[in-house]
Amino acid sequence: NAGVTQTPKFRILKIGQSMTLQCTQDMNHNYMYWYRQDPGMGLKLIYYSVGAGITDKGEVPNGYNVSRSTTEDFPLRLELAAPSQTSVYFCASSYPGQGNTIYFGEGSWLTVV
Amino acid sequence: GENVEQHPSTLSVQEGDSAVIKCTYSDSASNYFPWYKQELGKRPQLIIDIRSNVGEKKDQRIAVTLNKTAKHFSLHITETQPEDSAVYFCAATLDQKVTFGTGTKLQVIP
Repeated sequence: NAGVTQTPKFRILKIGQSMTLQCTQDMNHNYMYWYRQDPGMGLKLIYYSVGAGITDKGEVPNGYNVSRSTTEDFPLRLELAAPSQTSVYFCASSYPGQGNTIYFGEGSWLTVV
Repeated sequence: GENVEQHPSTLSVQEGDSAVIKCTYSDSASNYFPWYKQELGKRPQLIIDIRSNVGEKKDQRIAVTLNKTAKHFSLHITETQPEDSAVYFCAATLDQKVTFGTGTKLQVIP
């Protein structure tokens, strides 16, 4: 099992550009999440999904969009990138039958200049 | 919604000493409490967890205790080693809702 796979690992964006962070998991987990982690800070939930076709906002959704067309994939779209979106982004997944233990991807380092 | 407070934010201990990190939660319905370790530049990884029907759980040098009445839970690391240096996050979970604490940076001084 690859677990949770995120791409790209590193990206530099110019202000106003858009991009999509890709996330896929091969554990057949129902729940998927996107978190951001600013330097030296904790994890803030951007969006989450409890299954294909269902998404919901987390704590900091502004400036982002998500979709969940399949169980495996949960891409995060950044529209009109701003310096405030410079952060590390973690995709994660979990399965309620396993106590909802969250498994994180390796992270995507995004810098907006 | 759930609110998780974590203390201390930083903790320095001498190698071989014990370290204790404490968390409190607000929603009495939360029923699963994992702890994650995040090394510098890496992803958070689960190190131990506890469910609401259990008061204590141990795994070698780490243990977690849960007091449901007081709504707090703690991580205990004994005989600390330099490789224990990392940021530790607690979390409180109810269904798909996972709320993380703000993290504790543990430094183990050789």
